[in-house]
Amino acid sequence: DVKVTQSSRYLVKRTGEKVFLECVQDMDHENMFWYRQDPGLGLRLIYFSYDVKMKEKGDIPEGYSVSREKKERFSLILESASTNQTSMYLCASSTPGTVITGELFFGEGSRLTVL
Amino acid sequence: DQQVKQNSPSLSVQEGRISILNCDYTNSMFDYFLWYKKYPAEGPTFLISISSIKDKNEDGRFTVFLNKSAKHLSLHIVPSQPGDSAVYFCAATTTSNTGKLIFGQGTTLQVKP
Repeated sequence: DVKVTQSSRYLVKRTGEKVFLECVQDMDHENMFWYRQDPGLGLRLIYFSYDVKMKEKGDIPEGYSVSREKKERFSLILESASTNQTSMYLCASSTPGTVITGELFFGEGSRLTVL
Repeated sequence: DQQVKQNSPSLSVQEGRISILNCDYTNSMFDYFLWYKKYPAEGPTFLISISSIKDKNEDGRFTVFLNKSAKHLSLHIVPSQPGDSAVYFCAATTTSNTGKLIFGQGTTLQVKP
């Protein structure tokens, strides 16, 4: 089974703190994604990566950055956390061309609260 | 600009009856549509998909219908079961975009015993 592991299920941070959300997949997938889920807004794409050291902005990249130094690991970074970044963050991975057959695999999510 | 819209935030049905979840899209370039299901405290999981060259795809109790002229798709669950209670996300993509899915807002389905 594909395993996408997000290191922290629940985090509470203060405004202005730097926050790291880590994601690791064990299926040698080239593509990795970070989404956030908010009520009434669904899943919105923050950043994605097609390969090591490659990244592209999604629909809502403001306030976020990412790092992909190794193929299996994709990190989401909040340089200076703000209260409007309180959300559920979901990491996902896939092999190119397989998303259309449903082979986009998600982690269990990281619920971040910024106070 | 919401390219994929699920206008019903919630739906409640009785066990054994049909559940119909709706989704509209605006981008005519989309050529694949998918439904994902999400339970609380879990990641979304794939349910069923349909290509734009088809108008129906069926998998057990789940059927997705696509109306390209109306830019509308729907997910039918028959019969509905209490275990189907979850948030359902509609998603769309193009085969040329390297796998980026655009999701709708989600519909919370509650199936009452």
